[in-house]
Amino acid sequence: QKEVEQDPGPLSVPEGAIVSLNCTYSNSAFQYFMWYRQYSRKGPELLMYTYSSGNKEDGRFTAQVDKSSKYISLFIRDSQPSDSATYLCAMRLGGGYNKLIFGAGTRLAVHP
Amino acid sequence: GAVVSQHPSWVICKSGTSVKIECRSLDFQATTMFWYRQFPKQSLMLMATSNEGSKATYEQGVEKDKFLINHASLTLSTLTVTSAHPEDSSFYICSARDPGTSDDTDTQYFGPGTRLTVL
Repeated sequence: QKEVEQDPGPLSVPEGAIVSLNCTYSNSAFQYFMWYRQYSRKGPELLMYTYSSGNKEDGRFTAQVDKSSKYISLFIRDSQPSDSATYLCAMRLGGGYNKLIFGAGTRLAVHP
Repeated sequence: GAVVSQHPSWVICKSGTSVKIECRSLDFQATTMFWYRQFPKQSLMLMATSNEGSKATYEQGVEKDKFLINHASLTLSTLTVTSAHPEDSSFYICSARDPGTSDDTDTQYFGPGTRLTVL
């Protein structure tokens, strides 16, 4: 079993839809959770960074963490064609341990 | 967010030659940098962790003599692929760790990647 599970998709939605992306993990010691967006042939770009259960909002993006269920989500409201990319969840332990564990990445396509 | 650059963005070389890739943190000091490899439609695979002024720590299965890493300053790490072969063709991405002021702000920022093609 992988430490972090993420459905690779692809996920295709119409413009304006609400997108829900999810990851589950097995190691309850993970404390910090990130979502990265990666466009084709580019490096990952940090979108959201959270370290506690609950919601964090930034513009059209909301990150949700449920540590009791070992489940994290990223919601994209009013999705745009420019949101078409691969979304990678990542997480790490605390205490200065900085190696990231990545999910497989979900490919998202938003069509006009 | 913080900016990390990589150079070159792409390189084509002949089999048997060595290729050096640079990773720079432009607006922060990175005591730790990471090197990843990514195959098409796959996630990032960590190759090694590079700490400034010390030897890199390689992940299991990564040949340290083939992938030489040097982290000579707080803003520069280099990856040299020695005696490259076609199977080394891949997308190589570095990241730089910005430790921030506490564990809660410790974040990695990624470079744009380098596409290596070995003929």
